[in-house]
Amino acid sequence: NAGVTQTPKFQVLKTGQSMTLQCAQDMNHEYMSWYRQDPGMGLRLIHYSVGAGITDQGEVPNGYNVSRSTTEDFPLRLLSAAPSQTSVYFCASSYSGQGGGEKLFFGSGTQLSVL
Amino acid sequence: AQSVTQPDIHITVSEGASLELRCNYSYGATPYLFWYVQSPGQGLQLLLKYFSGDTLVQGIKGFEAEFKRSQSSFNLRKPSVHWSDAAEYFCAVGAVAAGNKLTFGGGTRVLVKP
Repeated sequence: NAGVTQTPKFQVLKTGQSMTLQCAQDMNHEYMSWYRQDPGMGLRLIHYSVGAGITDQGEVPNGYNVSRSTTEDFPLRLLSAAPSQTSVYFCASSYSGQGGGEKLFFGSGTQLSVL
Repeated sequence: AQSVTQPDIHITVSEGASLELRCNYSYGATPYLFWYVQSPGQGLQLLLKYFSGDTLVQGIKGFEAEFKRSQSSFNLRKPSVHWSDAAEYFCAVGAVAAGNKLTFGGGTRVLVKP
């Protein structure tokens, strides 16, 4: 079982460059989300999706775009990278959790540095 | 807005000793409460969760947590730690009406001395 797969594992960008962090899950989960992890701040929700074609903003969405064209994939786009986006990014998925409380399955993370 | 506070940034414990990690949350409605563990260079793994029922919840790896509504706390405990328990631990809260969106605490890093 692959679970949640994130690529790349490491990335260095220059300010103003764009890139896409990839996330794929093979568990047929309806719910997918992106978090960023910064020291002392835990994980903060960037964007989430409750199904193909449906996305919404989380706590810290500025500077990031998402789309969900298939159930399996949920890419995160940085249109113009800024040093403040230096962080570790985690993708997570779960069953729909419309009532909440579902277990999140996390990818292994992408460490991004913006110079 | 919901929030989660983990007052201890670092805890050092000797192998075989007991461990308690503190978590306080703020949320107006009935919350879901979670503890996740992150080993170095890895994603997060669910240890246990609470929504209702027995306030003492058993999880994986010998961990348990106790929900105390009057104190808005959900502390994690383990009677005897192993070297493999060295990791970062995150408490998180979710709302019944908010699907699977979680608010995480800042984390507690646990170091285990031999």
